[in-house]
Amino acid sequence: GESVGLHLPTLSVQEGDNSIINCAYSNSASDYFIWYKQESGKGPQFIIDIRSNMDKRQGQRVTVLLNKTVKHLSLQIAATQPGDSAVYFCAGDGNDMRFGAGTRLTVKP
Amino acid sequence: DAMVIQNPRYQVTQFGKPVTLSCSQTLNHNVMYWYQQKSSQAPKLLFHYYDKDFNNEADTPDNFQSRRPNTSFCFLDIRSPGLGDAAMYLCATSLYSGEEQYFGPGTRLTVT
Repeated sequence: GESVGLHLPTLSVQEGDNSIINCAYSNSASDYFIWYKQESGKGPQFIIDIRSNMDKRQGQRVTVLLNKTVKHLSLQIAATQPGDSAVYFCAGDGNDMRFGAGTRLTVKP
Repeated sequence: DAMVIQNPRYQVTQFGKPVTLSCSQTLNHNVMYWYQQKSSQAPKLLFHYYDKDFNNEADTPDNFQSRRPNTSFCFLDIRSPGLGDAAMYLCATSLYSGEEQYFGPGTRLTVT
């Protein structure tokens, strides 16, 4: 079955720095991945997605990188802002999207 | 705006007293999901409906049931809540399975 997990439970960065959040998956047949952001007291919110036929996808201040060889994906946030403080989950397809454990990002002013 | 709505946002129930949480959507999505999320953990999928087809996760306790009377509404019934069932319950929808999910704000359940 699908197993999606994160390397680090917490990440603290200085405002203005770049953030990198990592995620590993175990199902080599996974075709589609999503990064979600969950702020305190709210439901997860879609940030960016990527399909397995791509190795990089960019959004506004965010980039997702996919390395299918080592079954790893990462979320890069450029110029991290206080509003980026949240828990970030990766999710991979299978029968349905499965969530990884989550990384709590804290942005220090 | 199209959205996923959960009511109530906060629910307090007594140990063993049945409780129902509700979710509605205006997205006209085929799939509706219920997740349980405990503090500092990832959302855990309990079950989902694809249209009227119910799909239960293997490790979801029998204490948790769900109903989807129509496309727009889905209910989570907890027949006999225990203290361990205190959590945030998230409803989500997607147009098709394995696609981006749109989440509601959640219902925080307290069991006294």
